[in-house]
Formats: sequence, C-alpha cells, structure tokens
Amino acid sequence: EIVLTQSPATLSLSPGERATLSCRASQSVSYYLAWYQQKPGQAPRLLIYDTSNRATGIPARFSGSGSGTDFTLTISSLEPEDFAVYYCQQRSKWPLTFGGGTKVEI
Amino acid sequence: QVQLVESGGGVVQPGRSLRLSCAASGFTFSTYAMHWVRQAPGKGLEWVGVVSYDGTGKYYAVSMEGRFTISRDNSKNTLYLQMNSLTTEDTAVYYCARETAIRELSNPLDQWGQGTLVTVSS
Repeated sequence: EIVLTQSPATLSLSPGERATLSCRASQSVSYYLAWYQQKPGQAPRLLIYDTSNRATGIPARFSGSGSGTDFTLTISSLEPEDFAVYYCQQRSKWPLTFGGGTKVEI
Repeated sequence: QVQLVESGGGVVQPGRSLRLSCAASGFTFSTYAMHWVRQAPGKGLEWVGVVSYDGTGKYYAVSMEGRFTISRDNSKNTLYLQMNSLTTEDTAVYYCARETAIRELSNPLDQWGQGTLVTVSS
C-alpha cells in the first residue's frame, strides 16, 4: 500500500504567519492527493482535492501544490480558526491511505 | 442539507461482533459511493473501506479485509459496517463519509458523519 508521510508532526506558529505542510508518498500518486482539516471533537473537513483544487467554501488562503510523490499544503496567513490537525490522503491506488497528520498549533 | 448519522457503537468484548449503521439524508444516496474511516483515540485517520453506489464494488484496508464487511441498502438510505472478531485495536470512532461525485469510485470525501465510538474491552 502507499504510505504517506507528513512533516512536520507539529508546527508552532502565530496568527498571521504562513504555514507550509508537507506530504510525501512512498510511490507516485500522480495528482490524486487531498487535504483534510480536523478540529478537536469534529469530523474531518475536505480542504483541497486533486493536489490544488479547493473544496466548496474553502477560503483562498488555503492552497495546494505538488505532483508525483511530494505535496504541499500552504496556509498563506493563519487565522485563529486554522489551528487544527491536517491530513493528506491519496486516491491513486487501493487501499486508500491517509498520512499521519500535522498539528498546527499556536 | 446532507446528513450522515452513524449509530451502533458501544462497548463490546474482544472476539465479538458489532454492526454499525449510517443513515443518510439530504441527497440521493443511491448515486454515491460511501466510505468508512476510523480514528483510534488520540490517533490519526485510518481508511476502513468503501462500497460503490450500487453495492457491487467494495475495497478494504489490508488490515481489515476478511473481518469487516461493508454493505448498503439503497431502499433504506443506509450504509452498514459489519465488524467481526473484534480486538482492542479496533477501538475507535468510526465515521461514514460520502464521495464528491456520483456514480464513480475513489473520489475525495466531502461529507462526513459525526462518528460513533466503538470500544472493545473485556
């Protein structure tokens, strides 16, 4: 199965700063990579799909890039509500897999 | 609006079975593939498996294949997860989730339920 490795595990930043999260795949997933946000006690929310497409209602400060095995989620200027855990997920091959997550904390 | 409501969680002894349900509303259930995703306490997300919109296609995580079975009843707008031979490592919140596109398989997951907690303990 495809293993997704996210880094860093924790990112300590302040509101207004730029966040850069990484997701590396053990083999190419083409552009079939998504990002989800999860806040404590809540279900995950789809942010980005197919590398760079924002899901419905997602603010423009969230952007995704990459291809093949290396992907990045960028939050251009952190808002207080952006402090959460972020997961990448590939849909290139079965079984689908998630990364281990990056916690963005204040 | 789209609603996914899981039920059936609870405390179960190791080795026993449990069936979870996910009641869907607010969309045409029979046209979307549906997934189960779980999350152990304090851990990350783990994909469990998927069933196609018509129930004919199914895929599972390697560690769950053979023990877990996903099914659906489109007449009842309900998704199921049958879990057998449960171990303590199956303790988790189980989420059902809908794909973004109709009549396809392996799309991103844009609608999620609130989850149901399964605790496997003697």
